[in-house]
Amino acid sequence: GIQVEQSPPDLILQEGANSTLRCNFSDSVNNLQWFHQNPWGQLINLFYIPSGTKQNGRLSATTVATERYSLLYISSSQTTDSGVYFCAVERRLRVSNFGNEKLTFGTGTRLTIIP
Amino acid sequence: NAGVTQTPKFRILKIGQSMTLQCTQDMNHNYMYWYRQDPGMGLKLIYYSVGAGITDKGEVPNGYNVSRSTTEDFPLRLELAAPSQTSVYFCASSPRGPLEQYFGPGTRLTVT
Repeated sequence: GIQVEQSPPDLILQEGANSTLRCNFSDSVNNLQWFHQNPWGQLINLFYIPSGTKQNGRLSATTVATERYSLLYISSSQTTDSGVYFCAVERRLRVSNFGNEKLTFGTGTRLTIIP
Repeated sequence: NAGVTQTPKFRILKIGQSMTLQCTQDMNHNYMYWYRQDPGMGLKLIYYSVGAGITDKGEVPNGYNVSRSTTEDFPLRLELAAPSQTSVYFCASSPRGPLEQYFGPGTRLTVT
């Protein structure tokens, strides 16, 4: 199956710093999403971004599908940004209404923002 | 809307016991998913469903069973619990496939 690797595994930053998280995937994908898991375990969708660039406030993401990677940028970090950031990809193998309807997750980047 | 709810929040099982993890969503989503998250790892798909009466295996289905008799409910059954099933289990639902998944708060299961 498709492999999803994220780097760095851990990142500790001072409040106000900027960060870049990377996601590499081993094959072409139909979809790519970034999630944030907060320290209480809740998972939240950040971006659906199979290609191109999107921005939402202090967060932005870029996916270069031809080179099989995606980047998540966090600017002016706040303590509430702490948690684990997951990249997840979907590679649809069958053309049907009931196809490969699933995401493969990376192992995440644990971000800790220090006040 | 309550979104996706899971019960119980925590559970300790003995080896060989069985239990059902409950998942309910009130958003009328067709797609529902069960994942497990082991310590320090990403989520792995156990089973998923694209509508009532339709389920399929994910990456790690062994030791689990599911059913989807209604749009709202997607219970996960563990038969003969094993220590390897110690994990945090997340249920998710979506209106349109793997995109835009809404996750429940998780169930932390320990098998000893």
